[in-house]
Amino acid sequence: DAGVIQSPRHEVTEMGQEVTLRCKPISGHNSLFWYRQTMMRGLELLIYFNNNVPIDDSGMPEDRFSAKMPNASFSTLKIQPSEPRDSAVYFCASSFWGLSRVSPHNEQFFGPGTRLTVL
Amino acid sequence: AQSVSQHNHHVILSEAASLELGCNYSYGGTVNLFWYVQYPGQHLQLLLKYFSGDPLVKGIKGFEAEFIKSKFSFNLRKPSVQWSDTAEYFCAVNAGGSQGNLIFGKGTKLSVKP
Repeated sequence: DAGVIQSPRHEVTEMGQEVTLRCKPISGHNSLFWYRQTMMRGLELLIYFNNNVPIDDSGMPEDRFSAKMPNASFSTLKIQPSEPRDSAVYFCASSFWGLSRVSPHNEQFFGPGTRLTVL
Repeated sequence: AQSVSQHNHHVILSEAASLELGCNYSYGGTVNLFWYVQYPGQHLQLLLKYFSGDPLVKGIKGFEAEFIKSKFSFNLRKPSVQWSDTAEYFCAVNAGGSQGNLIFGKGTKLSVKP
């Protein structure tokens, strides 16, 4: 398995531009997570999906951020318009969540991340 | 609300020193516990995990962690660190019913001096 795939790996854009980050989870996983990591705030959960349905988006900073998961193999995180304070590394992770209370599948597998720089 | 506390923000050790990183969580029910490692410039990778059974869990690269339910702790240990262990370490908990969401601690940076 190729693992979680993210694109692009690096993105440099100017303030006000739209940015779209992409993620392909591991095949068979039914949960997908978007995180943001900065020096100041550490690792933050932005949103996560189960079976393509958004479960918790309370970590999304503001309306400029939106995420979609149109199918089990693809998700996007969009920032429109982007601002310099959005500069960070954005990670996507996937896992398999089962109904069993003790599931060996809850570990999350992280993608390589997208380093976003907004000038 | 569930939370994970990592007590040390930055730990500096010399090679061959022993390591213990603290992790405490707040949740009274059944939990799954994880330690992830992030090497400089890389993504998070699973170091070890606890689901049930033996509370002493062995992971990769000589790391181990002990789950002490009465103390709500899951401390990470390694008897002798190497320069290559320089990284940031994250403790995480998945509480029952949380639909797979992991609550991460703020991380501990480990710097190992050669």
